[in-house]
Amino acid sequence: EAEVAQSPRYKITEKSQAVAFWCDPISGHATLYWYRQILGQGPELLVQFQDESVVDDSQLPKDRFSAERLKGVDSTLKIQPAELGDSAMYLCASSARGGGLAGNEQFFGPGTRLTVL
Amino acid sequence: KQEVTQIPAALSVPEGENLVLNCSFTDSAIYNLQWFRQDPGKGLTSLLLIQSSQREQTSGRLNASLDKSSGRSTLYIAASQPGDSATYLCAPPSGGYNKLIFGAGTRLAVHP
Repeated sequence: EAEVAQSPRYKITEKSQAVAFWCDPISGHATLYWYRQILGQGPELLVQFQDESVVDDSQLPKDRFSAERLKGVDSTLKIQPAELGDSAMYLCASSARGGGLAGNEQFFGPGTRLTVL
Repeated sequence: KQEVTQIPAALSVPEGENLVLNCSFTDSAIYNLQWFRQDPGKGLTSLLLIQSSQREQTSGRLNASLDKSSGRSTLYIAASQPGDSATYLCAPPSGGYNKLIFGAGTRLAVHP
């Protein structure tokens, strides 16, 4: 069964260090999403790609976060420098297409749990 | 701006009960709505995607309804089991690119 893959599953780092997360969406899915979930809350979108283009990064803290999807397949989310408040679960999701179309189901990966000390 | 509220925030029931989880949203101009399950420390598992043209969608013991006009969706769980214990999240989309907006979820505990 096709799944969204993420690595690493867990990451512990010290503040001011750089961290990177990787996501491989379901094969053929054009749209890729990165969400952040703080403990006890629902996920919140950080950035959305349609193929290799960013279509929504309105909630991405651009002074320290960056994301890329160079070939329109897998994606990397980077934080530099990490801060204590970045401790959270980082979730990647994919869907066949974006654009608010009917029947556009999103599938999530297992997430990366980040702890910043 | 889409806002989502889920009631109750937490629920503890004995095995075998039929359950109702409620979700309300502020922007009714949606194409669909997804319900997810999340186990502690894990990612989200899609349970049901209900289209705006449908009123109900069923999968096994789960049934989701959607009433766009009132901004509400309901997830019914029949004959609950301990394995149903998890957090349940509803997520309508927002904006032109299908960004999902999540509530804080309902944390369900089913005890034997």
